[in-house]
Amino acid sequence: KAGVTQTPRYLIKTRGQQVTLSCSPISGHRSVSWYQQTPGQGLQFLFEYFSETQRNKGNFPGRFSGRQFSNSRSEMNVSTLELGDSALYLCASSLSGNSPLHFGNGTRLTVT
Amino acid sequence: TQLLEQSPQFLSIQEGENLTVYCNSSSVFSSLQWYRQEPGEGPVLLVTVVTGGEVKKLKRLTFQFGDARKDSSLHITAAQPGDTGLYLCAGAYSGGSNYKLTFGKGTLLTVNP
Repeated sequence: KAGVTQTPRYLIKTRGQQVTLSCSPISGHRSVSWYQQTPGQGLQFLFEYFSETQRNKGNFPGRFSGRQFSNSRSEMNVSTLELGDSALYLCASSLSGNSPLHFGNGTRLTVT
Repeated sequence: TQLLEQSPQFLSIQEGENLTVYCNSSSVFSSLQWYRQEPGEGPVLLVTVVTGGEVKKLKRLTFQFGDARKDSSLHITAAQPGDTGLYLCAGAYSGGSNYKLTFGKGTLLTVNP
């Protein structure tokens, strides 16, 4: 069974640009969650999607958005990038959202 | 907001030593999960503890959930270099249809050969 796949693995962007990250969950998993990981703040919850609907949202500005498609694949978008958005962005899938998470290997975003 | 404090933040030991890392909160959790993250990879679930006072063993790793379900510990016996990684605890709160998972900042463990 294939694991959670995130693309791309690495991204370098400049301030003010926007970026889209992609996540393919484990087959059969309907819940996809996104996290931002930084050395100072650790893992912080961005949002969770279940059956194409955003079910939970963390405390991030509106520049961070996401969506989920009918095949459960998910994308997250960050607009008007800031230097502080540099982080490892992790996607995790689960069967129902309240079951253990299976993480991808992340997308490392660097904003210069 | 449920906050999880992990200690120590960093730990560097020699192969064969024992160690314990802690995960504490003032909040009660419905369950608590432990993950290990290796460089360049995402976190991988090690164990989930659900019942207050529960103890689970995974080879040389022993996990305990506090009686009040507010804290947890991870004990590693005879640490190996392969145990090196970032250990994360995550507390789950389930209220109605809302399920929320809060992560601690982690303990970065280095086991030297």
